[in-house]
Amino acid sequence: GENVEQHPSTLSVQEGDSAVIKCTYSDSASNYFPWYKQELGKRPQLIIDIRSNVGEKKDQRIAVTLNKTAKHFSLHITETQPEDSAVYFCAATQGAQKLVFGQGTRLTINP
Amino acid sequence: GAVVSQHPSRVICKSGTSVKIECRSLDFQATTMFWYRQFPKKSLMLMATSNEGSKATYEQGVEKDKFLINHASLTLSTLTVTSAHPEDSSFYICSARRTQGTEAFFGQGTRLTVV
Repeated sequence: GENVEQHPSTLSVQEGDSAVIKCTYSDSASNYFPWYKQELGKRPQLIIDIRSNVGEKKDQRIAVTLNKTAKHFSLHITETQPEDSAVYFCAATQGAQKLVFGQGTRLTINP
Repeated sequence: GAVVSQHPSRVICKSGTSVKIECRSLDFQATTMFWYRQFPKKSLMLMATSNEGSKATYEQGVEKDKFLINHASLTLSTLTVTSAHPEDSSFYICSARRTQGTEAFFGQGTRLTVV
């Protein structure tokens, strides 16, 4: 089955700097890769996703890149703000199959 | 976006009792719903896949007689924690997808405390 590895587990950056979180997956059949942001005690919220037919997707300060050959995908947050502080999870799935989550990254933005 | 409502958001129960958690898709039909358990500062661990009108598919290591799942309609799945013990205390969260959809929408989660 699918296995998703996520790094780093914690990340601390200065406000205004960029943050990058990386994930690798094992199943070459996976074709959908969402990223979720979870604040303490809250539900995960989808922030961006990418499908396997695209190499990069951007939405304002957030971008995701996908390298199918290497089976890894990354989340990039630019011009970070204090409200970006949260736990971020990557995930991978094939079609409507179950989502397999990475271990999560606790991102802290320092003022 | 689609709305998934989970109830209750918090519950405290005594050891040995059972607790039912509901997950509803409010504005779409969900053939499949997923139940997760999340320990503090940990990732979401898939417990089972709930299929409307059929038996749930449980992940390895999850006791199906302990965690009963029922998906009686296209908008409702329930998770019942039977004979709860303190080690069952956790954050339980469901998600649902539109039929033929890929994006997963999450409920707000249920914090279960067994005393």
